[in-house]
Amino acid sequence: KAGVTQTPRYLIKTRGQQVTLSCSPISGHRSVSWYQQTPGQGLQFLFEYFSETQRNKGNFPGRFSGRQFSNSRSEMNVSTLELGDSALYLCASSLNPLNSYNEQFFGPGTRLTVL
Amino acid sequence: AQTVTQSQPEMSVQEAETVTLSCTYDTSESDYYLFWYKQPPSRQMILVIRQEAYKQQNATENRFSVNFQKAAKSFSLKISDSQLGDAAMYFCAYRSTVDDKIIFGKGTRLHILP
Repeated sequence: KAGVTQTPRYLIKTRGQQVTLSCSPISGHRSVSWYQQTPGQGLQFLFEYFSETQRNKGNFPGRFSGRQFSNSRSEMNVSTLELGDSALYLCASSLNPLNSYNEQFFGPGTRLTVL
Repeated sequence: AQTVTQSQPEMSVQEAETVTLSCTYDTSESDYYLFWYKQPPSRQMILVIRQEAYKQQNATENRFSVNFQKAAKSFSLKISDSQLGDAAMYFCAYRSTVDDKIIFGKGTRLHILP
């Protein structure tokens, strides 16, 4: 099986712009979670989608949003980019929602740089 | 709110030796999950080992084992017979069974000395 894929791998944007990141989960996985990784804050949970519905959300402002399609692919959008949004954005997929004892499989991440 | 603390930002160990990475957490919940994840340089994060809080027995996966002390809220990872491929950032994570949110520690960077 192919692993979790994320596109693009690298992205450079300027303040005020918006960005959309994409995540394709492992075939058959219906849960997709997003994380932000920065040197200062570490790994922080953004949100989880399951069956096209947002199940859970971390403590991030409304500028961060996401969605999931019927094929389980997910996109994450950040509007009005700020310098502090520069980070590695990780996507992870699992068979079932995070309330089950399922292993999450992580993608390689999208490195976003905001200038 | 739950917190996860990894007190060792960096550690080094000789190849073939044993190393223990520490993790403590704070929670008022009685049931939860704990995880150790490994993130090698420029490679994808993978699950190393997981533990359910209601299970007394410490989890083991080959050379990796945990020392889970529920009362002390401690969840350390022991790596035996360290190999060069073990060099990575290791993250301890807590997942609540109340709201399913996952909280990660800041990570411990492990260096393996040949």
